[in-house]
Formats: sequence, C-alpha cells, structure tokens
Amino acid sequence: KAGVTQTPRYLIKTRGQQVTLSCSPISGHRSVSWYQQTPGQGLQFLFEYFSETQRNKGNFPGRFSGRQFSNSRSEMNVSTLELGDSALYLCASSDTSGSGNEQFFGPGTRLTVL
Amino acid sequence: AQSVTQLGSHVSVSEGALVLLRCNYSSSVPPYLFWYVQYPNQGLQLLLKYTSAATLVKGINGFEAEFKKSETSFHLTKPSAHMSDAAEYFCAVSPQGFQKLVFGTGTRLLVSP
Repeated sequence: KAGVTQTPRYLIKTRGQQVTLSCSPISGHRSVSWYQQTPGQGLQFLFEYFSETQRNKGNFPGRFSGRQFSNSRSEMNVSTLELGDSALYLCASSDTSGSGNEQFFGPGTRLTVL
Repeated sequence: AQSVTQLGSHVSVSEGALVLLRCNYSSSVPPYLFWYVQYPNQGLQLLLKYTSAATLVKGINGFEAEFKKSETSFHLTKPSAHMSDAAEYFCAVSPQGFQKLVFGTGTRLLVSP
C-alpha cells in the first residue's frame, strides 16, 4: 500500500498570500488529521476530518481551514499568511476516528513565508 | 487536559549503550500513549503504542516502553544503540474521545561511535 502523500513538499510564499496544501491518505483510510510543527511551538494539532466532516479543531485562528473530499483526500488552506506560519505541515491518516488509533504520517510540506 | 512531558531535549549515548528517553503523562483516566520517531526531513513514524493491553510494549527496531501508572511514566528504552537510531523522538497522548495527538516537546537522540 502506498503511504500518505503530501504535495507540494516545499513551498515559498510571501506575507499576505494564501496557500493550499494537499494530502492523500492511505487507501481505505477515512480520517485525516493535520499538524503544524515549528521549532518554537513543537507539534500542534490543527484539525481532523472524517468522512468529509471536521471532527476536531485545534487552537488556531480562522485563517487556517481545511476540507475533505469524498475520496478522503484533504486540503488545508491558510489565508493572509504571516511570517509565523512558516512551519512543517504534517498530514496523518487513520482508518477510523477516535482515541488510540494509529496515525500514519506523510513526509510533510515545508512552508516558508517571506 | 491530558499532556505529556519529555525530560531532556537532547540525549547523547555511545553506540552499543542503553537508550533511555523519558516521558511522563498527565491524565485522570487511562491514557493512550505513543512514541514516534522523526528522521531529518521526514514525517513521523510510529515506534509503539500503549492501549492498556499490556504494561510492557514492544515496538519496532528493538525499542520498548513500560507503562507505570504509579509513576505516570512511559519511558522508551533500547538495550543497545545503533548509529541509525539518531533522530528526534516524540512521546504523545491521545485524549479520550478525540483522534488528535498531543505531543511532547521531543528528545533528540545523538549516537556517537
């Protein structure tokens, strides 16, 4: 089985722009979660989607949004980019939604905001 | 809220030495606990997870962790370090009823020849 794929792997944007990141989960997985990783704040949960519905949301401003399609692929959008949004964005998929499920991570998208 | 604390941002060992990475959790109910490893420029890979079936959990690459309720700990160990173990290790907890993972701050393992 192919693993979780994320595109693009690297992205450079300027302040004020918006960006869309894509995640394709492992075949058959219906839950997709997004995490932000920065040197200062570490790994933080953004949100989770399951069967096209947002199930959980972390403590991030409304500029961060996401969606999931019927084939379970997910996109994350960040509008009005700020310098502090520079981070590695990780996507993880799981076959179901709930505590204790193993989440399989993709390689991440490294976003640099100039 | 459930959380984990990792003691030591960096741990250095010699090749062949014991690896011990510390993780303490905060939870009022039995937690789901995980250890993940991250190699440079890669995502996270699951090493092992605790889901209350057994207190000693064996994972991949020779790693294991022991759940100790009395000490609220879930330390990761490996009897003999290899150079390839050099990476960053994250302890995480999955709050009851939620899919999300709450991560510790990570411990970078350095292995010297």
